[in-house]
Amino acid sequence: SQQGEEDPQALSIQEGENATMNCSYKTSINNLQWYRQNSGRGLVHLILIRSNEREKHSGRLRVTLDTSKKSSSLLITASRAADTASYFCATDLGSGNTGKLIFGQGTTLQVKP
Amino acid sequence: EAGVAQSPRYKIIEKRQSVAFWCNPISGHATLYWYQQILGQGPKLLIQFQNNGVVDDSQLPKDRFSAERLKGVDSTLKIQPAKLEDSAVYLCASSVAYPEDGYTFGSGTRLTVV
Repeated sequence: SQQGEEDPQALSIQEGENATMNCSYKTSINNLQWYRQNSGRGLVHLILIRSNEREKHSGRLRVTLDTSKKSSSLLITASRAADTASYFCATDLGSGNTGKLIFGQGTTLQVKP
Repeated sequence: EAGVAQSPRYKIIEKRQSVAFWCNPISGHATLYWYQQILGQGPKLLIQFQNNGVVDDSQLPKDRFSAERLKGVDSTLKIQPAKLEDSAVYLCASSVAYPEDGYTFGSGTRLTVV
């Protein structure tokens, strides 16, 4: 079964706007990761946040984690047409970093030029 | 640094036929994963290898799926016999600096079973 659920399932914005995607999960995690998948391609690792962290930044990406609510959000600022892709959250469960990632269903982002 | 290589890129077979996918991870990556991604869904883990040993194959349908990683480098995933519901993209991923760098995925093999 899928651990994470992304919201919204689809998002369409104009270039330059910010995009926010949310991920909820069910059980305790070691870390949560976000991946991007362009159409017909493999997934690309974007950013990782550990269970003891609340916020991380990487370029135009900002990730937050609220372990009490079992949720995370990914913010992409000043979006570009090249950001058009599907975005997945993935959680690492169990004790220690097992390397076994459970992916959510994904959010499809369309950025219009 | 070369990426994770997968072949073939596409495969169309009839149900009940067999098929094999090949993956060559990034050199030095000890951990290798096979994921199945059905259209419109997130990837689902099938099997995890550490070097040439299986770490987790709890979600591999062992009556029809098999995987091996001889010599701890390349890996093959086989389906025999294939069913219509096996139509999906099969993704291979490897990791070395986990969790900091996450997984590195290949481009996948798109399987269509008709």
